[in-house]
Amino acid sequence: AAGVIQSPRHLIKEKRETATLKCYPIPRHDTVYWYQQGPGQDPQFLISFYEKMQSDKGSIPDRFSAQQFSDYHSELNMSSLELGDSALYFCASSLPLRTDTQYFGPGTRLTVL
Amino acid sequence: AQTVTQSQPEMSVQEAETVTLSCTYDTSESDYYLFWYKQPPSRQMILVIRQEAYKQQNATENRFSVNFQKAAKSFSLKISDSQLGDAAMYFCAYRSPKVQGAQKLVFGQGTRLTINP
Repeated sequence: AAGVIQSPRHLIKEKRETATLKCYPIPRHDTVYWYQQGPGQDPQFLISFYEKMQSDKGSIPDRFSAQQFSDYHSELNMSSLELGDSALYFCASSLPLRTDTQYFGPGTRLTVL
Repeated sequence: AQTVTQSQPEMSVQEAETVTLSCTYDTSESDYYLFWYKQPPSRQMILVIRQEAYKQQNATENRFSVNFQKAAKSFSLKISDSQLGDAAMYFCAYRSPKVQGAQKLVFGQGTRLTINP
C-alpha cells in the first residue's frame, strides 16, 4: 500500500539559512499535518491543512510557513534557521472522514549547524 | 486543552511475557479518539491500535489490546507474547472528533519498551 512520502529524508543547514520540506500524502488523502519531534521529545503539532486550506495551527514559529497545493502535497518552509530547529519533522495524512486515522511519513531529519 | 500523560518513561519485559503500558488523559469532551503509536529505532511512527470513545468494547489487534476506562480517563496498552520486534518507544495520543477539517493529535511523553531475550 502507498504511504506518505517525505523529502528530503535528511537535511543539513547552517544557522540563518532556509529549508523546504516536502510531503506527498497517501493517494485520496486530502488532509495533511506537520509535526516536530525534538530529541527525546514527543511529536508536537505545527500546522494542518484540509482541502488546501489551513485548518489548524499549533506552536509553529513565525519563521515557518506552509501550504498545501492543488495536488494535495504540502511544503513546510523554514527561514532564519536556528540551532533549536534541529529535529525530526513528520508529515501525516488522513482521509476526510470523521473516523479517520493519521498515517505518518518516515520524517525529515533536519540538522542546523 | 487536552493533555495526555504517560507516567512510565521506561518499561522492560521478558520475551514472550505480557506487559501493560499506562496512559491517562484529561478532556472535557465526551466524544474523542485515542491511539497508540509505536516508534522503533528507525523513528517511523507506526499506528498500533485505535479506540473510539463512544465504543464500550476495548479494541484489539492481534497481540495488542487496550483497557479503555472512560470514566477514569485511562487508556492502557497490553502487549501479549512480547517479541523482540516490539522494542520501541510507545506514544499514547488523543484526537478530538472532527467536525470539519483536520484535528491534531496530542501525544503523551512516551514509554520506552525494552524486550529482554
